[in-house]
Amino acid sequence: QQQVKQSPQSLIVQKGGISIINCAYENTAFDYFPWYQQFPGKGPALLIAIRPDVSEKKEGRFTISFNKSAKQFSLHIMDSQPGDSATYFCAARWGGKLIFGQGTELSVKP
Amino acid sequence: GAGVSQSPSNKVTEKGKDVELRCDPISGHTALYWYRQSLGQGLEFLIYFQGNSAPDKSGLPSDRFSAERTGGSVSTLTIQRTQQEDSAVYLCASTTGGGGDTEAFFGQGTRLTVV
Repeated sequence: QQQVKQSPQSLIVQKGGISIINCAYENTAFDYFPWYQQFPGKGPALLIAIRPDVSEKKEGRFTISFNKSAKQFSLHIMDSQPGDSATYFCAARWGGKLIFGQGTELSVKP
Repeated sequence: GAGVSQSPSNKVTEKGKDVELRCDPISGHTALYWYRQSLGQGLEFLIYFQGNSAPDKSGLPSDRFSAERTGGSVSTLTIQRTQQEDSAVYLCASTTGGGGDTEAFFGQGTRLTVV
């Protein structure tokens, strides 16, 4: 199975709150798990990424939590800001091929 | 160039016509991907090129879709006999390839509308 399942499809968070987006996969051959952020009219851009031998990676307000045994990983956005409003995609790579989840549209209300 | 360039940025075509979408990857990037993004949908994998290896075409939705990459650089995605369901944004991305933590750089996409 080369699918990556992402949830929720949309998310509304108050400014200052925590945004959490979840992804799950089946293929244990995936070796790299990036998250991409996309603003309207733009192409996606890399936000943060993790390898499966690491359980957590933090960059500023963005944290990836990775649970290898459960084959799940999640993105946490701390102190969410209106400027974080965008669509977020998780992804997984296998043999160079990059597969994306369905995306989560995040709206941060002021 | 500084980034991945796609052309045209917008394309309106009549049902049944053929269209060609172009992608200029970042110079030196050996890996190139095409994705399709329909309204409110995720990034649907179409095809992946890596160096001189045979491309992974497993995501192409039908035989009306084809892609080539000339000289390991520019790529063209061709859709023959376009249908209304082909309307979407087509995104191209390139990476340095290899197994490291390589970032995929995306172009801004071509918005295709089939009328």
